[in-house]
Amino acid sequence: AQSVTQLDSHVSVSEGTPVLLRCNYSSSYSPSLFWYVQHPNKGLQLLLKYTSAATLVKGINGFEAEFKKSETSFHLTKPSAHMSDAAEYFCVVSDRNGYNKLIFGAGTRLAVHP
Amino acid sequence: GAGVSQSPSNKVTEKGKDVELRCDPISGHTALYWYRQSLGQGLEFLIYFQGNSAPDKSGLPSDRFSAERTGGSVSTLTIQRTQQEDSAVYLCASSLGGQYTGELFFGEGSRLTVL
Repeated sequence: AQSVTQLDSHVSVSEGTPVLLRCNYSSSYSPSLFWYVQHPNKGLQLLLKYTSAATLVKGINGFEAEFKKSETSFHLTKPSAHMSDAAEYFCVVSDRNGYNKLIFGAGTRLAVHP
Repeated sequence: GAGVSQSPSNKVTEKGKDVELRCDPISGHTALYWYRQSLGQGLEFLIYFQGNSAPDKSGLPSDRFSAERTGGSVSTLTIQRTQQEDSAVYLCASSLGGQYTGELFFGEGSRLTVL
């Protein structure tokens, strides 16, 4: 069965410093992995996805994530945080043998300080 | 419409009453999901529809919950005899399905409060 663990419930960074949001997954099959972002009072939006092509995936707004099979990780990074990055971020796993149930992590709330 | 539309955006009801939540997916999207997001929690999978296939109902928490999707488009989530623990934001999402199944487009949710 698939599962995903977001290692930090809250992350706080200063504007202009790097962002690291950690995610570990468990999957019986070759997984597809996603990061979604939820800004306050707005719907969830897909940030980026990994589906077995390049292990380093680039997404919107300067975010990227690297799939590391040996570490079962899919951490989200950004070189320089912006105030507008403050939001809730969800790591999501889906096994390719059954797309029909995306499993969401508990979320990481990112705060960005001036 | 351009995006996934959900109604009502807010619903306050009394314990024991039935509620219906509606989702209008993006035109042409064959896959439709319902998730529940409780305060401070992640998203809990409820049910999934894909085309004409039998829905995956494995996430429905009790038999008080049901959902249908008519004509492969609009979906209604029904909660019977609501309880206070049903209070949450109910999110609907749709996708093209197939290789795009994981690329979900979410509505803004229906916030349910059970008094």
